[in-house]
Amino acid sequence: GAVVSQHPSRVICKSGTSVKIECRSLDFQATTMFWYRQFPKQSLMLMATSNEGSKATYEQGVEKDKFLINHASLTLSTLTVTSAHPEDSSFYICSAIAGGPAEQFFGPGTRLTVL
Amino acid sequence: KQEVTQIPAALSVPEGENLVLNCSFTDSAIYNLQWFRQDPGKGLTSLLLIQSSQREQTSGRLNASLDKSSGRSTLYIAASQPGDSATYLCAVTRAAGNKLTFGGGTRVLVKP
Repeated sequence: GAVVSQHPSRVICKSGTSVKIECRSLDFQATTMFWYRQFPKQSLMLMATSNEGSKATYEQGVEKDKFLINHASLTLSTLTVTSAHPEDSSFYICSAIAGGPAEQFFGPGTRLTVL
Repeated sequence: KQEVTQIPAALSVPEGENLVLNCSFTDSAIYNLQWFRQDPGKGLTSLLLIQSSQREQTSGRLNASLDKSSGRSTLYIAASQPGDSATYLCAVTRAAGNKLTFGGGTRVLVKP
């Protein structure tokens, strides 16, 4: 099956710093990538949809200046949490599809802890 | 707005019993429905994908049915094992675009 990786798997940072999370499709070209966040014991909430070479589409309530998304190539999307605060602590998961309304493949997630 | 509900929220069974997990959605205009497994602190593993034109999909001990008109899907896991303990999530893709709407998940514990 298709493989999606995320880096780092875990990050701890001080309040006010920025954190970049990478999402890579390892064995296919991802026309679209999605970013989700998940709070403990809750389901996934879609943050934004990222298409290669174009601006990301953010869900209602998600601050685009806070969560910067760059989909620079067909295999890489990055999420930067700018000026992180403790309330940004969460599990961030990306997914990718090869095109069309097809099966989504998920990365292993990144645990962000902001002190 | 599509809403996806999973019942029960948690389920505990002895090893060997069959598992029945339910998923319902409010808008029947879906492209497909996926079932995922999530282990604690991990990402999602896709289990089964059912296209809107299909009524079921099977993979090993797993079988998922889809009744689009009534907005329901059921995931059956036969002869459960302790290794099946995890959270199971269902999600539907909207007719427009590829966004997934997730249910709240069912936490499953299979006791040895």
